[in-house]
Amino acid sequence: QVQLVESGGGLVKPGGSLRLSCAASGFTFSDYYMSWIRQAPGKGLEWVAYISNSGSTIFYPDSVRGRFTISRDNAKNSLYLQMDSLRVEDTAVYYCARRTGGNRAFDYWGQGTLVTVSS
Amino acid sequence: ENVLTQSPGTLSLSPGERATLSCRASQSVSSSYLAWYQQKPGQAPRLLIYGTSSRATGIPDRFSGSGSGTDFTLTISGLEPEDFAVYYCQQYGSSSFTFGPGTKVDIK
Repeated sequence: QVQLVESGGGLVKPGGSLRLSCAASGFTFSDYYMSWIRQAPGKGLEWVAYISNSGSTIFYPDSVRGRFTISRDNAKNSLYLQMDSLRVEDTAVYYCARRTGGNRAFDYWGQGTLVTVSS
Repeated sequence: ENVLTQSPGTLSLSPGERATLSCRASQSVSSSYLAWYQQKPGQAPRLLIYGTSSRATGIPDRFSGSGSGTDFTLTISGLEPEDFAVYYCQQYGSSSFTFGPGTKVDIK
């Protein structure tokens, strides 16, 4: 069965860095586009990064562009999110999610990893 | 950015009742790229509907989606106890994904 398991969250000071990982299993990882999506405590969902199956196409929203970097290692079935210059408002649960084939929806999600940015 | 607005913010209904949730976009959305998710406390979102009206794997047929352009609807034909949750719509366009703020369906 499809599994996505995030790791790497924790407490970091404003201006600091953190790298999240997502281990994928149960499907051919190299066939799928992937994303990171976050949810601040008690708030809604916000998309933060997107990468094509080969890694050649990457998108970010303005809120994180220039600070966050998405990458993947298809040989290791892993997705990553490097987060630099972190701000208090980046505090959230970060989910990795698999994009469906043609409909640009997210059909499988991990359980999430909590990132807290606080001094 | 294509902003999604969901209404109502909270819907208070009894089990067995019909729920109608609205999602309105600030710009037209391709019908292929409108999805709905359900989220329960402490859990990740679950895909319910993609491509406006196609149910995801394992989703019961009491869930249905419709709409076009800027107005989309999720209908739950008869609420089961496990359906009380928060529902989000999501769109893709212009290399960007956006989610609506959510509609909470709670027990009356």
